[in-house]
Amino acid sequence: DAGVTQSPTHLIKTRGQQVTLRCSPISGHKSVSWYQQVLGQGPQFIFQYYEKEERGRGNFPDRFSARQFPNYSSELNVNALLLGDSALYLCASSRLPGGAGANVLTFGAGSRLTVL
Amino acid sequence: DAKTTQPNSMESNEEEPVHLPCNHSTISGTDYIHWYRQLPSQGPEYVIHGLTSNVNNRMASLAIAEDRKSSTLILHRATLRDAAVYYCILRDVYNAGNMLTFGGGTRLMVKP
Repeated sequence: DAGVTQSPTHLIKTRGQQVTLRCSPISGHKSVSWYQQVLGQGPQFIFQYYEKEERGRGNFPDRFSARQFPNYSSELNVNALLLGDSALYLCASSRLPGGAGANVLTFGAGSRLTVL
Repeated sequence: DAKTTQPNSMESNEEEPVHLPCNHSTISGTDYIHWYRQLPSQGPEYVIHGLTSNVNNRMASLAIAEDRKSSTLILHRATLRDAAVYYCILRDVYNAGNMLTFGGGTRLMVKP
């Protein structure tokens, strides 16, 4: 089975531009979560979607938005890019929307965004 | 959310056991202990989780202190492929979402 796939793998943008990152979850997984990982730090939660509805939002400005499609794939949009948005953006999928037992997250390799 | 504390880095020799500690003194009775690791240039990868009892799987073992205020991830024979950042994360059983709170983790270096 294919894992979580993310595109593009690398991209360079300039300040003020907008970016869209894409994620395809593992087949059968209905939950998609987005994380931002700045160099040298652990990932930080941005959004979670389950069955096309937002289930959680982290402490990020309104410039960040996301959506989930009927096939459970997802897009993360960031508007008005700032230098500080340079990071690795990770997508994770899971079968269930939550629960701390056996509901583990499977992460993709990420999209590396550089803002100049 | 209860917090975890891990050493910034650890070193190990190849084919020797590795014990990665995690302190979580404010853990609640409904918190599961999860471990993920992140290999270079990859996303985090699930390793193991537990609630109260020690757990074993094909990747590692998790030893949980009796008072649950600390735990140890055990790699029985470290290989060069195990060089990664290891994250200890608490997840509340009543947490309806998939938000994981990552700390800084422990960077494990494995020497040949």
